[in-house]
Amino acid sequence: DSGVTQTPKHLITATGQRVTLRCSPRSGDLSVYWYQQSLDQGLQFLIQYYNGEERAKGNILERFSAQQFPDLHSELNLSSLELGDSALYFCASSETVVSPLHFGNGTRLTVT
Amino acid sequence: KNEVEQSPQNLTAQEGEFITINCSYSVGISALHWLQQHPGGGIVSLFMLSSGKKKHGRLIATINIQEKHSSLHITASHPRDSAVYICAVPSGSARQLTFGSGTQLTVLP
Repeated sequence: DSGVTQTPKHLITATGQRVTLRCSPRSGDLSVYWYQQSLDQGLQFLIQYYNGEERAKGNILERFSAQQFPDLHSELNLSSLELGDSALYFCASSETVVSPLHFGNGTRLTVT
Repeated sequence: KNEVEQSPQNLTAQEGEFITINCSYSVGISALHWLQQHPGGGIVSLFMLSSGKKKHGRLIATINIQEKHSSLHITASHPRDSAVYICAVPSGSARQLTFGSGTQLTVLP
């Protein structure tokens, strides 16, 4: 058990809808990272937060947004969903940017 | 952006065999990550290394910074080692990782 909790495990929704994915990092970890894994693109870095502040941004679409709350949990909001947004979304956390990463089990999003 | 090449894409081995998976990258890095993705989809971080060699049980990871190359070795492979192994390197910030396409390992009993 990595100590990183992601909810929900599975999400099925329709095109055009909006969903929120939640991540609770491992106790003591200040950094949270979001990654997307799709069949055609593989794993891609989306965004990083450190202690509530955005630190790095990757291939995150404008329709997607994220935040990290004072209790350090993070949410990834996906709006105006398209079929191509169907993917596994992983959250990971680490104590510092040079500490090992701990991954959650992912949220499998299916857009129909 | 750092380019990452992994080989082989697929690997089938008999139980007990010595396994090697390779990873090459294009731009100098601070650290390289080896990840294991289970058939159920979960990802486990195996190693983060910046130089030399690290060992954990039957797994060994090596990195050659000058040649921009890393290898993951599995000694005495076992069917439970069957998984996708992924290497990842930083592009930009330390955690803005670029991932290899993964190596699907199947170990037959």
